[in-house]
Amino acid sequence: GAGVSQTPSNKVTEKGKYVELRCDPISGHTALYWYRQSLGQGPEFLIYFQGTGAADDSGLPNDRFFAVRPEGSVSTLKIQRTERGDSAMYLCASSLRPRGTDTQYFGPGTRLTVL
Amino acid sequence: KNQVEQSPQSLIILEGKNCTLQCNYTVSPFSNLRWYKQDTGRGPVSLTIMTFSENTKSNGRYTATLDADTKQSSLHITASQLSDSASYICVVLPRRFGNEKLTFGTGTRLTIIP
Repeated sequence: GAGVSQTPSNKVTEKGKYVELRCDPISGHTALYWYRQSLGQGPEFLIYFQGTGAADDSGLPNDRFFAVRPEGSVSTLKIQRTERGDSAMYLCASSLRPRGTDTQYFGPGTRLTVL
Repeated sequence: KNQVEQSPQSLIILEGKNCTLQCNYTVSPFSNLRWYKQDTGRGPVSLTIMTFSENTKSNGRYTATLDADTKQSSLHITASQLSDSASYICVVLPRRFGNEKLTFGTGTRLTIIP
């Protein structure tokens, strides 16, 4: 594909439910990042993958959040027992390599609403 | 305290006018500074990337400047268009780290009115 894609674009769920958010990075990009963005704020780092492994998950807020990238391409962010405070835009980005000189390309995001 | 602060929080200007957005940061030492444009409900799109040794970088009607001594950057938009309405986010990367350590500002919400 031409860019980073994310599905679904919108997700509405009830408090306590489980949700999965999918990210399909640019082909060939080894580094993949998940961010959470609240209204009026900049993106906040959640987790970063280099290949299949989570190189840095220090941004995950608690153990209800988990992400995988089993084949080094598509990634899934999983949220268990969702809470209203989890409502936000979830952004995925990828870069060719994780180096600081490589441009990050963002997907369109998934808007998660927890009722 | 956020290490990247932007001003103003929001700005409204007439189509065709110029404007300048400000970014002050405390991240030090840093590797590079980036400006992103984020349309409502969309992901950010990179406009410019400047290393600590660069003073200015242009991308069409967008010109970013950097003063590493005062830790300030600005994004100047000339001859604004309605499509420039978006949030503009300043992002700083600390030196010796990869992209996972990007520090994002809260953005400036720019509205262009006809």
